[in-house]
Amino acid sequence: KQEVTQIPAALSVPEGENLVLNCSFTDSAIYNLQWFRQDPGKGLTSLLLIQSSQREQTSGRLNASLDKSSGRSTLYIAASQPGDSATYLCAGGDGTSGTYKYIFGTGTRLKVLA
Amino acid sequence: NAGVTQTPKFRVLKTGQSMTLLCAQDMNHEYMYWYRQDPGMGLRLIHYSVGEGTTAKGEVPDGYNVSRLKKQNFLLGLESAAPSQTSVYFCASSYTSGGQPQHFGDGTRLSIL
Repeated sequence: KQEVTQIPAALSVPEGENLVLNCSFTDSAIYNLQWFRQDPGKGLTSLLLIQSSQREQTSGRLNASLDKSSGRSTLYIAASQPGDSATYLCAGGDGTSGTYKYIFGTGTRLKVLA
Repeated sequence: NAGVTQTPKFRVLKTGQSMTLLCAQDMNHEYMYWYRQDPGMGLRLIHYSVGEGTTAKGEVPDGYNVSRLKKQNFLLGLESAAPSQTSVYFCASSYTSGGQPQHFGDGTRLSIL
């Protein structure tokens, strides 16, 4: 059974710092991996989706990588801003049952200090 | 450009009461999902649907029922609410089964007293 872990649970950094958020998964047969942002009281917003055949995806200041062999994905945020403060969740696509489902991590709560 | 809309946004129920949560999407997505989010446990899949008229169980289906009579709507029902069902419920949709991002609603905060 696929399990997804995010460590640390919370992180505080000063504005302008480059940072990396980590996501680990147990089953290398992951279908794809998606990174989401969740603001307090809101739903999840998809940031980046990496297919199993890809190694990374980029959008603006965000870069996500996927290493299936080591069971890891990272989300790199360049030049962090206070507006980046949110909870970031990763979700691994599990297609082993024949019908595609996502397994979510518990998230990393990021605070960027002005 | 509504995307995924959930109603209601908040609800308080007494134990044993029933209610239905509505999810509507205007993106012509085939797949729809219901999740619950609890502190320290991440999002867990309750039920999902791969198309109009079809539903399937997810990770935590007990105590819930769903229906997808129209492609754009996915209903989540609680027949006899229990305090353990206090949670934030999220609906999501996607165009296909994989390779496409999921789009989420803003959630329904449900408290069972």
